[in-house]
Amino acid sequence: EPEVTQTPSHQVTQMGQEVILRCVPISNHLYFYWYRQILGQKVEFLVSFYNNEISEKSEIFDDQFSVERPDGSNFTLKIRSTKLEDSAMYFCASREGSGYEQYFGPGTRLTVT
Amino acid sequence: GDSVTQMEGPVTLSEEAFLTINCTYTATGYPSLFWYVQYPGEGLQLLLKATKADDKGSNKGFEATYRKETTSFHLEKGSVQVSDSAVYFCAQVSSGSARQLTFGSGTQLTVLP
Repeated sequence: EPEVTQTPSHQVTQMGQEVILRCVPISNHLYFYWYRQILGQKVEFLVSFYNNEISEKSEIFDDQFSVERPDGSNFTLKIRSTKLEDSAMYFCASREGSGYEQYFGPGTRLTVT
Repeated sequence: GDSVTQMEGPVTLSEEAFLTINCTYTATGYPSLFWYVQYPGEGLQLLLKATKADDKGSNKGFEATYRKETTSFHLEKGSVQVSDSAVYFCAQVSSGSARQLTFGSGTQLTVLP
């Protein structure tokens, strides 16, 4: 069964460093998303991506964040200068063009020290 | 705006007990509704869905009925197992153009043998 994959599973970085989180969505899906979950809190939407551009973003997704689909398979989230409060689990998700159910990857746990 | 309110946890049950986790939503119109499950150390897995009023989603013995009169989508299972121990998230499709998901706060379920 096709699945969304994410790498790395855990990333530790120092405050102020840049990080890139990688995702491979399900191959025939057209819509891509990033969410984050701070420990013990709810899952929050960050950004959606369709047709090679951002279609919607939340207030969390400020200028420190960017997304890219550099080739036909990868979907990346970059945080330019990490802050302590960026520590969270980051989930990638994708969905087909029809239907609204999203399929999530296993997540990347980002720890900023 | 769109929001999902979920029953506060944690919930602890004995094996074979009946489970209900309450979920209500606030939205314009009738959004598709979902339950996701997060097992320890894993990502979010789609458990079941309902796309319109009076639909019943079901999977692995879990059920939820889309009730527009009460704007609810409560999760039920007749006889829980130890392996059902996880965090359960109710979610709705937002009214935004990207159709991102809005999640409830999650309910931690622990089933004791």
